[in-house]
Amino acid sequence: EVQLVESGGGLVQPGASLKLSCVASGFTFSDYWMSWVRQTPGKTMEWIGDIKYDGSYTNYAPSLKNRFTISRDNAKSTLYLQMSNVRSEDTATYYCTETYYGLDYWGQGVMVTVSS
Amino acid sequence: DIQMTQSPASLSASLEEIVTITCQASQDIGNWLSWYQQKPGKSPQLLIYGATSLADGVPSRFSGSRSGTQYSLKISRLQVEDIGIYYCLQAYSAPLTFGSGTKLEIK
Repeated sequence: EVQLVESGGGLVQPGASLKLSCVASGFTFSDYWMSWVRQTPGKTMEWIGDIKYDGSYTNYAPSLKNRFTISRDNAKSTLYLQMSNVRSEDTATYYCTETYYGLDYWGQGVMVTVSS
Repeated sequence: DIQMTQSPASLSASLEEIVTITCQASQDIGNWLSWYQQKPGKSPQLLIYGATSLADGVPSRFSGSRSGTQYSLKISRLQVEDIGIYYCLQAYSAPLTFGSGTKLEIK
C-alpha cells in the first residue's frame, strides 16, 4: 500500500524558513517523479513543482521558483520542500504526491500557517 | 501558463442523476488531463488520467471525455459518496495548472 506522510508544518512568522518532509513507503521511491501541491484555505489548488526520480531535474511554478526548493533523498525514501522568506499567501495545506499517470497518490497533507 | 477554466463552480444534483463537469484548456494539451476527487476532510484522489482512462479502484460510473480542448468528467449515476470537490489538472507543460474546482452536493 502506497503511503506518503508529510511533516514539518506549523505556525511560522513572515520571512522565516521552513522545511517540509514527506516519507514514502509501499513503492520503489527512486523509480518515481514526485511533486508538491498546495491547497489554500479557500480550496484553490496550486502545483508547486516536481523532481525527477534521481533528483537530477526539477520544475517549479515560476511564482515560487526563487523561494521554494524541492529535493529528495532516495536512500531515505524522503521528499523535501524547503520554503524560504515565507509570506502570508503561503498559508496552505501542502501535499506530496507520487507522479506517474497523473498525481497518482497523495499524502494526508501538512498545514502551514504564516502569521505574526 | 495554460489556463484551465472549470465549470460549474458548484453543482447540486439528485441521487442517480447524471452529472457532468467540464474544463476548457486555453490551448491544446492533447490528452494530458487528469481529474481528482476530494471528499470532505480528505486528500484528493486520482479519478481519471490521460483524459479518458479510469484510475485503479475508481467506480465505472465515472468517465472522462475530450472534445478538442474541452474535457468532461461524467458521473453516470450520482451516489452519496460522490460528494466533494472535483478538480481537473493539465500536465501538458509546466507549470501544471488546476481548474478552480467544482463543489458537488446532493440535492
